[in-house]
Parts: sequence; C-alpha cells; structure tokens
Amino acid sequence: NAGVTQTPKFQVLKTGQSMTLQCAQDMNHNSMYWYRQDPGMGLRLIYYSASEGTTDKGEVPNGYNVSRLNKREFSLRLESAAPSQTSVYFCASSSKPGQANSPLHFGNGTRLTVT
Amino acid sequence: DAKTTQPNSMESNEEEPVHLPCNHSTISGTDYIHWYRQLPSQGPEYVIHGLTSNVNNRMASLAIAEDRKSSTLILHRATLRDAAVYYCILRDLNSGGSNYKLTFGKGTLLTVNP
Repeated sequence: NAGVTQTPKFQVLKTGQSMTLQCAQDMNHNSMYWYRQDPGMGLRLIYYSASEGTTDKGEVPNGYNVSRLNKREFSLRLESAAPSQTSVYFCASSSKPGQANSPLHFGNGTRLTVT
Repeated sequence: DAKTTQPNSMESNEEEPVHLPCNHSTISGTDYIHWYRQLPSQGPEYVIHGLTSNVNNRMASLAIAEDRKSSTLILHRATLRDAAVYYCILRDLNSGGSNYKLTFGKGTLLTVNP
C-alpha cells in the first residue's frame, strides 16, 4: 500500500517550458488535491477534485491546469513555466468529499525549480 | 475556515512530554480541530482530529478546552523523529464545498533536543 505517489521527485525547467506533475493514490479515495508550498507561506491550494470527473479552482490556480484522469490519478500541468512557479508541490487525497472529519493523505512532493 | 494562532517555534527535550498550543477563539460549533505535522523534506502527515471531547491515538493526544477556543496537541514522550512543523487547522462540518479549501498556516516548528 503505497498511499499517494508523486512523480517526478525533482525537476528543473527553463522559463516557458511545459511539464506535467503526476499523482496517483491507491486508497480508493474520492477527493484529490494539489498544493504548493513556498518558504514562509504555508501550503496553498491550487486545484482540487471532489470526485472523479470534477475539478475546481483553489486559492492560487493561475498558470496551472489539472486533469482527473480516473479515480486514482490527478495530474497538474504547467503550460508555460515561470520562475514564480518555483516551489514544492504536494498532492493529497481524502476519502470522503467535503467531509470535515476526513483526513488528507499527502505525497512526498515534487521539488520544481524554474530558471 | 476560522483562523488559528500557533507559536512560531517550540523546543523540547527527548523523552519529555510536549504540549503544542493552538488558539482558535472564533471557532464555530461545527468546526473540527485537525492537527497535521510535516517532517523535513516530506509531505504533511495527519496526526489527530476532534470536535468536542479529548481524543487519543497512537501518535498523540488532543486536549480541547471546554469552550473550544483553544486546543493542545500532546506528544507524551518526544523523540528526535517528532521534530517537525505542526499545523492546527479548523474544518467546518457544514462548509460543504468550501471544506475542500483546507488552508495550512505557518504552524509551529518543534525542535527536539537529544
């Protein structure tokens, strides 16, 4: 039981390049999330998917797109990377959509640097 | 979500208990109190949550004040592996869609001395 798996672990991009961050969970969870973490900023929600087939914007969605490919997988795409998108990206999942007592399970992150 | 206030940092000695405080004076009656922690170079990890009563699990205990305006995460015997940033978060049972927008503040950095 791997939990939440993120790939790649590290990535360096040049400004303007595109890439997709992959996330998969094996816990049969309904909801999935993408967060970014910057020094001194805590975690900020980029996008979330309440259930398979739905996605919605979080706090900082600009410059990103997402795809909920199936129940297991939720990808985050940067179409034209900018230095401001240098960050650590975390994917998370939870079993019960919108339930206040349903914990989030996080992956170990993708460390992205945009030069 | 209602706002929480935590100290920026705390220090403890190994094998001693640690009490991590969180103030949430504007908590509503339907807010759950959640605690997560983040070890260096890892993603956040769920620790415990509660609504009104104190809660215990294998990782920690959660003590909730009678008026629910504050709570304390208790690590009974700190180990070096407990050194992490600890986040206190409120999640409203009745928020519906906005419950997805779980916001993590800056948390408390716990240092454990050998």
